[in-house]
Amino acid sequence: AQKVTQAQTEISVVEKEDVTLDCVYETRDTTYYLFWYKQPPSGELVFLIRRNSFDEQNEISGRYSWNFQKSTSSFNFTITASQVVDSAVYFCALSGGETSGSRLTFGEGTQLTVNP
Amino acid sequence: GAVVSQHPSWVICKSGTSVKIECRSLDFQATTMFWYRQFPKQSLMLMATSNEGSKATYEQGVEKDKFLINHASLTLSTLTVTSAHPEDSSFYICSAVKWRTGFSNEQFFGPGTRLTVL
Repeated sequence: AQKVTQAQTEISVVEKEDVTLDCVYETRDTTYYLFWYKQPPSGELVFLIRRNSFDEQNEISGRYSWNFQKSTSSFNFTITASQVVDSAVYFCALSGGETSGSRLTFGEGTQLTVNP
Repeated sequence: GAVVSQHPSWVICKSGTSVKIECRSLDFQATTMFWYRQFPKQSLMLMATSNEGSKATYEQGVEKDKFLINHASLTLSTLTVTSAHPEDSSFYICSAVKWRTGFSNEQFFGPGTRLTVL
């Protein structure tokens, strides 16, 4: 069975602070995909990144960066110089592989609040 | 990119009535679509996998007679909540899988449908 754990239920920071959202996953598949999504108050999921299990390169996109460490089964997400517009619920998700195909398993989500 | 729409975006109905929610892939064909349910302040929970031309596969604990899924074409899947009750009030989200060579498992999400049962 696949499992995604986001231990931080809520995080509150002040604008311009850096913040890291943690994600730990469990899977028996050798090939899998990891995702991060943002869900603003409107409810629509916004895709942020997809990473496959064979690519452990860290990625940076503007103020966003992701750290994938297969050895610790973690895929953490850092927002640098946070802004109020970053306030949302962020979900880490896992899919793919021999046992689950396209099905996505979501973590419980982290509510990020960025205060001005 | 790929666009997935849902209709309606919100619906309010009386207890005991049935509600149909449509999920459409607008610019690609999707042999597989997924239906998720999200209660307030909770995560998305997969309800069922909808495959074009075959019966849907339901997750454990999801009543298939209550949540009817029909995937009649490569661009449309429908979820019908039959005899809705207040506990069925939730945010329903669909996603469609777009297959591309070398990029499997690419899911695109609809904007969601908020169902309120009075």
